[in-house]
Amino acid sequence: GAVVSQHPSRVICKSGTSVKIECRSLDFQATTMFWYRQFPKQSLMLMATSNEGSKATYEQGVEKDKFLINHASLTLSTLTVTSAHPEDSSFYICSARALGGYNEKLFFGSGTQLSVL
Amino acid sequence: SQQGEEDPQALSIQEGENATMNCSYKTSINNLQWYRQNSGRGLVHLILIRSNEREKHSGRLRVTLDTSKKSSSLLITASRAADTASYFCATDLSYSGAGSYQLTFGKGTKLSVIP
Repeated sequence: GAVVSQHPSRVICKSGTSVKIECRSLDFQATTMFWYRQFPKQSLMLMATSNEGSKATYEQGVEKDKFLINHASLTLSTLTVTSAHPEDSSFYICSARALGGYNEKLFFGSGTQLSVL
Repeated sequence: SQQGEEDPQALSIQEGENATMNCSYKTSINNLQWYRQNSGRGLVHLILIRSNEREKHSGRLRVTLDTSKKSSSLLITASRAADTASYFCATDLSYSGAGSYQLTFGKGTKLSVIP
């Protein structure tokens, strides 16, 4: 099956620093990648949708300048949490939708646990 | 607002028993999907049922969909300890006037299977 690789799996950083999370589709081309945030015992909250070569579409309430998304190729999307603060601590998950065909299901990365001290 | 709502929030059963989780949603859908998440990990797609389907099977999984009641159920038969995870339903609102592809997740049911 399709594999989405997400790195790092865990990151601890000081307040004020920036953190970059990578999401790669390893064996397929992803027309669209999604970034989610998940709090403990909560559902996934969609943060933004990114399409290769175009600007990401952010959900209401998500700060574009704080959560920078770059989708430079059909296999790579990155999320950069800029000037991270303790309230940004969360579990971030990416997912990808395959290019072509009638692809309705998503393939997920394994998630990144961000802890901001 | 949350499109899908799972019920129960938590379920604890003995190995070998069946586990049933329910999902209710609010608006018309293109399809409904169930995903599984192990603690601290990403989600894994389990099964997809389209709006014109009523029941679907995949191994020990059985999914039903009642569009008149806007609800779905996931049944795991003969549960195993390895089935312990959180299960989420997700509704695909595509082709429903909701714009581009969009998958909305419920809050999930945490299933614990006791050996």
